[in-house]
Formats: sequence, C-alpha cells, structure tokens
Amino acid sequence: SQQGEEDPQALSIQEGENATMNCSYKTSINNLQWYRQNSGRGLVHLILIRSNEREKHSGRLRVTLDTSKKSSSLLITASRAADTASYFCASQRADNFNKFYFGSGTKLNVKP
Amino acid sequence: DVKVTQSSRYLVKRTGEKVFLECVQDMDHENMFWYRQDPGLGLRLIYFSYDVKMKEKGDIPEGYSVSREKKERFSLILESASTNQTSMYLCASSLGREFQETQYFGPGTRLLVL
Repeated sequence: SQQGEEDPQALSIQEGENATMNCSYKTSINNLQWYRQNSGRGLVHLILIRSNEREKHSGRLRVTLDTSKKSSSLLITASRAADTASYFCASQRADNFNKFYFGSGTKLNVKP
Repeated sequence: DVKVTQSSRYLVKRTGEKVFLECVQDMDHENMFWYRQDPGLGLRLIYFSYDVKMKEKGDIPEGYSVSREKKERFSLILESASTNQTSMYLCASSLGREFQETQYFGPGTRLLVL
C-alpha cells in the first residue's frame, strides 16, 4: 500500500472556518511536504517540514509533524473559497531521497 | 519560476498502440519523475531519472519504459497501451542536489485507452 494515508478523504466547510487534514506515513523520512492540486491540474508545493522539526507556519498554513506517531497535520486557517482543492502529503524517504510517497489526498470544499 | 510542461493535456489511444508522453523542464533540474494518479490511490511513482540516460524504477514500472536523452526532457513510453493504463499522468522535476527539496509538477496528461 502507499506510504501515506490521509484523512478525511473529503471535507466541506464554510468560508472563514479552519480546515484540518491529517496524514500518516510508514517508514523513516527526511521530510514531509504538503501539496495542493486544483481540479485536473498539476500539484503545487505548499510547505515542507523537516524530520527534526515539530511545527512550521507559512501564512495561513500551519503544519505539525509527530515522528513518534509517524503523522502530520495541515491546518488552513480562515479558509477562503479559493482554497477549494485537493491536498496531498508527500513523505521523502530517508533511505532513498529520490523517492516521495504521496497520500491519497483530502478533497477540501470551502463554501462561500 | 520553474516551468514543467507536458506535451498533451488529453490523449485518446487504442489498446495496443505505442504511446509517448513528453515532459520538458526549463530549470536545469537533475531529477525528473513520472507518476500516475488514480482516484483513491494518490500518486504512484512509475520511474524517475537522476541524470541523462540514468533511470530507476519506481513502484509501478510494469508496462512502461522511459527515456532521458537530454537533461531537460523525460519521456514516458507505453509500449502497448492497455485499458488499465487509463489514468492521469504527472511529470515532475526537482533540483537533485540536496535532500530537502520540493518537486515541481507539470499540468498533467489525462490518457484514455479504449
């Protein structure tokens, strides 16, 4: 099975609310990254957190990493309709840094 | 800005045809990747290349081959297309010179095999 699993699979919220997505992975990692994909398009990198970091912020994004639980979460605060997209976590394996394992994604719908 | 382009946004092919998907990046990146994306399965790595003429199998290489004759171009080849290869194909590139790096993706090619 895939390295990363995400939940929920789908999330629907009102504009202004916060959105939280979770990701789990299976093996040791160098870093974990979050990507966003608008419908039918390529992925765009959002934020990277290294394996020795616990929390990172970028604008309205907050990422946490718990290596003991092999899990990460992405929080989007004060969501906007334009945040509607699918979000994927990608873990970069520690034993082969050319290999990234992507989760199955969370589909976020932000209603205006 | 890094730009990764893919030759087609949509392709329709028949079973048994040989299919070429082309990817070009303009930022002198060492690494290039081919993924396929299917609903509920996320992205799965088919092949990647870390240098010209160098390649390594990903998780699902069966039925695919790749070619990297020039640094900026990475081609995915379906030797004999089958209906189970209907999917979204995403190309990506990364700098390749450091551990902590991100991937830059093309817009994707949606392939339908009839």
